[in-house]
Formats: sequence, structure tokens, C-alpha cells
Amino acid sequence: KNEVEQSPQNLTAQEGEFITINCSYSVGISALHWLQQHPGGGIVSLFMLSSGKKKHGRLIATINIQEKHSSLHITASHPRDSAVYICAVSGAGGTSYGKLTFGQGTILTVHP
Amino acid sequence: DTGVSQNPRHKITKRGQNVTFRCDPISEHNRLYWYRQTLGQGPEFLTYFQNEAQLEKSRLLSDRFSAERPKGSFSTLEIQRTEQGDSAMYLCASSLAYADTQYFGPGTRLTVL
Repeated sequence: KNEVEQSPQNLTAQEGEFITINCSYSVGISALHWLQQHPGGGIVSLFMLSSGKKKHGRLIATINIQEKHSSLHITASHPRDSAVYICAVSGAGGTSYGKLTFGQGTILTVHP
Repeated sequence: DTGVSQNPRHKITKRGQNVTFRCDPISEHNRLYWYRQTLGQGPEFLTYFQNEAQLEKSRLLSDRFSAERPKGSFSTLEIQRTEQGDSAMYLCASSLAYADTQYFGPGTRLTVL
């Protein structure tokens, strides 16, 4: 079992729909990251959070430390949101601080 | 553009050849990470530096892989005697400190024929 699991692996939506991507992890962490990767490889950090909830524009990220679970929500989805969304966790001990362990990613396609 | 640059962006090589990639992090960033991503998978950790010190190296890295960060600035990742299984996207990221957001470069896509 991977240390970081994402669901779903693929997600198709119509423009305007509310989208949720889930992430579960099994190790102790110092922070959880949500990343966006567009075709061609470039990765952009969307959120880094260690508790509670963060919001940026139409994106919302939440984390439940006790349940080791995080969600990324996209409100009023748009075709430009189509990308791979990756959940990653930073290790919590010793030399693991900062080192990221990644989920497999969720491929999101938003149709007009 | 995150400010992290990688060169070359693409490298095609024949099996058995040596290749070297370069990463230039954001100038004031102390931490520099190397990750590898194969098609359809999430990235995997390879190694990281705190300034010029290499603090951890993944068990994924065979002895054919070596990384350096002289003077705590740019970093190089060398793969000796490349194999077809080395074909992947090699990603570099940097952060100001261990607890900070990581900024990723565009990656170097390696194809081993």
C-alpha cells in the first residue's frame, strides 16, 4: 500500500461543476501539499497546509490530521482547470523534513 | 516560470552513455531536491541538499547516480551507463527552508534508446 493514496485517479466534469479530489496518507507528516501539473511537466504548488482549511480563488483545500485525510475542492470548474492534481506529504522526522512523498495524481478533465 | 531552471529540457541518449543534468534553484533557497517521474506516475524522491550537503539519498538511486551541489548554488545530477529504465522526467525543486513551499523547475525529460 502506498503511503499516499489519491482518489479518483481520473475525473471528468462539465464546466461549472463542483469537484472534489481526495487524499489519504498513512505516515506522520509535517505538512500536506496540493500540486498542479499541466501537460509538458511543469508542477506548481497550490497549497501547503498542516491544519484546517485554505482558500485561494476557486480552490479550497482542507486537512483532517486525526483522520489523515485531505480534500481539494474546485468550485465552478472551468476547462482551464484541466490538469493533473497531485497530493504530496512532507516527512515529519529527522532528515525527512521537507522531503515529499507523492500520490499518483488525479487526471482532471473539464469539458465546456 | 517559478524561477527554478533546468537544463537541458530534453535529452536523448543511447544505452550505456553518461548524461548530466543541471538545476539552478532560486538564488536564496537553501534546500534543493531531485525527483524522478515516470509516465502516468507521481514523482518519486531521489535526493536532496541543504546548502552544499547531501542529506539523504533514496534507495531508488543506484551507484550509477550521483548528485552534487558545489558551493550550495546550482546542482548537477549525473547518470552513468544509462539504462532504458532510466527514461523519465527528472524534476528539481528548491525551497527557502525545509518547511517551506517547494518551487519546481520545468524538468529534464530523458529518453534512453
